[in-house]
Amino acid sequence: DAMVIQNPRYQVTQFGKPVTLSCSQTLNHNVMYWYQQKSSQAPKLLFHYYDKDFNNEADTPDNFQSRRPNTSFCFLDIRSPGLGDAAMYLCATSSGQGGYGYTFGSGTRLTVV
Amino acid sequence: GEDVEQSLFLSVREGDSSVINCTYTDSSSTYLYWYKQEPGAGLQLLTYIFSNMDMKQDQRLTVLLNKKDKHLSLRIADTQTGDSAIYFCAEYGGYQKVTFGIGTKLQVIP
Repeated sequence: DAMVIQNPRYQVTQFGKPVTLSCSQTLNHNVMYWYQQKSSQAPKLLFHYYDKDFNNEADTPDNFQSRRPNTSFCFLDIRSPGLGDAAMYLCATSSGQGGYGYTFGSGTRLTVV
Repeated sequence: GEDVEQSLFLSVREGDSSVINCTYTDSSSTYLYWYKQEPGAGLQLLTYIFSNMDMKQDQRLTVLLNKKDKHLSLRIADTQTGDSAIYFCAEYGGYQKVTFGIGTKLQVIP
């Protein structure tokens, strides 16, 4: 089945230690997104790639970076995680043609200790 | 900027209908969505409606859109315990960006 896969499901990292979250897709979608979701809050868009074109949200902290080496993979790098970065990180994809909705991965729950 | 608002919590008895409401601010929204999130999982697209439609029905789900009032609702008929989840309203205003509401937690009482 075509899908969006996030690894790992759970990630524990130390305060200040760089961490990378992974997302892959078999949908061949043009657009890949990273959202941060904290408890009882709306998912917050961090950035997205339209093909190789990177689009950063104005309020995304510099601590968050992303890479998309090819169509299938997209990575979220947190350079120096703080306690406030503990959250669920959701990867999503879309075809980029209008607004036919996103396909989400299952998310990675990040804990910072 | 875009803003999507929803109530936080709804409790219904199994077999009853559930109605989850949402308001949005971006009058240029072209698509509006309902997503479902079960505990520990990602968001699943339930249904969407184009802004030129008033209603869309899909099995037990009915979406109503009042564009004048910028009000969207999701009705779930014959609500089951498996419908217990968080339901997110969302809007697409272009530029490949979707804005989500805070989510309504639906609790179904057996």
